[in-house]
Amino acid sequence: GAGVSQSPSNKVTEKGKDVELRCDPISGHTALYWYRQSLGQGLEFLIYFQGNSAPDKSGLPSDRFSAERTGGSVSTLTIQRTQQEDSAVYLCASGLNRGGNTEAFFGQGTRLTVV
Amino acid sequence: LAKTTQPISMDSYEGQEVNITCSHNNIATNDYITWYQQFPSQGPRFIIQGYKTKVTNEVASLFIPADRKSSTLSLPRVSLSDTAVYYCLVGGNNQGGKLIFGQGTELSVKP
Repeated sequence: GAGVSQSPSNKVTEKGKDVELRCDPISGHTALYWYRQSLGQGLEFLIYFQGNSAPDKSGLPSDRFSAERTGGSVSTLTIQRTQQEDSAVYLCASGLNRGGNTEAFFGQGTRLTVV
Repeated sequence: LAKTTQPISMDSYEGQEVNITCSHNNIATNDYITWYQQFPSQGPRFIIQGYKTKVTNEVASLFIPADRKSSTLSLPRVSLSDTAVYYCLVGGNNQGGKLIFGQGTELSVKP
């Protein structure tokens, strides 16, 4: 596809369950970002992948959150033992991020609801 | 990381020029300034990026003074469809490439 694709678009899960959110970045983009956005709030940085470098995990709120990026392309954000406060829109973005160019392209997000 | 400060909200009317100023007093030498736009229920969209002086594209202009401690996004002749949240970001390769969003400015354009 031409843009960043995220799946599922909506996810309702029970408290305590694990969830996996998927992001397909734009082909060739070496940078991949995950953010979380609660209702009416700004974007909260979670994790950043750049090429083959170790990811910047400094934004992950707890050890229940993890992410991986396989083959430098698709990324999966996993939330274990979900809590109600995890309910938010999870946004993925990709970009080239070189030479100071920080233009990132965002997907439509996954709306996660923990009940 | 350089912190940014923007007004929380702004109101305007159709056809007016809107200027949104962002403060970034701790901007580093290699940092670029980037603005994003976000509509409800959508991911942010890149608008414009600059390093110094003035940058203009088909959507907006970005004014950056010599000290680079602030920047102003200028939207000419806004329409109702420009109602959105606008984010100012400061960063680049020296930040490790990480993009940190602040709270943004909620622009409301009225008829």
